[in-house]
Amino acid sequence: KAGVTQTPRYLIKTRGQQVTLSCSPISGHRSVSWYQQTPGQGLQFLFEYFSETQRNKGNFPGRFSGRQFSNSRSEMNVSTLELGDSALYLCASRQGQGPAVSNEKLFFGSGTQLSVL
Amino acid sequence: QQQVKQSPQSLIVQKGGIPIINCAYENTAFDYFPWYQQFPGKGPALLIAIRPDVSEKKEGRFTISFNKSAKQFSLHIMDSQPGDSATYFCAASKGRDDKIIFGKGTRLHILP
Repeated sequence: KAGVTQTPRYLIKTRGQQVTLSCSPISGHRSVSWYQQTPGQGLQFLFEYFSETQRNKGNFPGRFSGRQFSNSRSEMNVSTLELGDSALYLCASRQGQGPAVSNEKLFFGSGTQLSVL
Repeated sequence: QQQVKQSPQSLIVQKGGIPIINCAYENTAFDYFPWYQQFPGKGPALLIAIRPDVSEKKEGRFTISFNKSAKQFSLHIMDSQPGDSATYFCAASKGRDDKIIFGKGTRLHILP
């Protein structure tokens, strides 16, 4: 099976712009979660989508939004970029349903490195 | 609000030593405690996980110790090798469909 694919791998934007990141989960996985990774804060949970619905949400401002399509692919959007949004954005997929042992394991992509200038 | 507190932030150990990484949590509803390992340029990958009904779990050279009353759990790496050098994250969640919350990570370096 192919792993979790994130595009693009690197992105450079300027303050005030908006950006869209893409994630293709492992085939058969219906849940996609997004995390922001920074050196000081580690991995911070943004949101999780399951079957096109937001199932869980972290404590990020409304500038961060996401969506999931019927094929489970997900996009994350950040509007009005700020310098502090510079980070590695990681997407992770999991089955999203069924026994806990098969539902809880997250499979991460390699991330999109976003730099805001 | 940090729900899972991880320490130390960084750790240097000689090859063959036993690095120990500690995590503490506050929410007693958490019932799943995984550890993830991340190498540079890669996403984290699940290493080992434990549930609160057991006090210890071993998988190869990696061991989780769990203290439910103290709300703490730790990762031990036996006979550590330079290839174990990576960033390690502890995490927790409550319920099968809950979000998984991570600690801030520990950068581990094993000296050859």
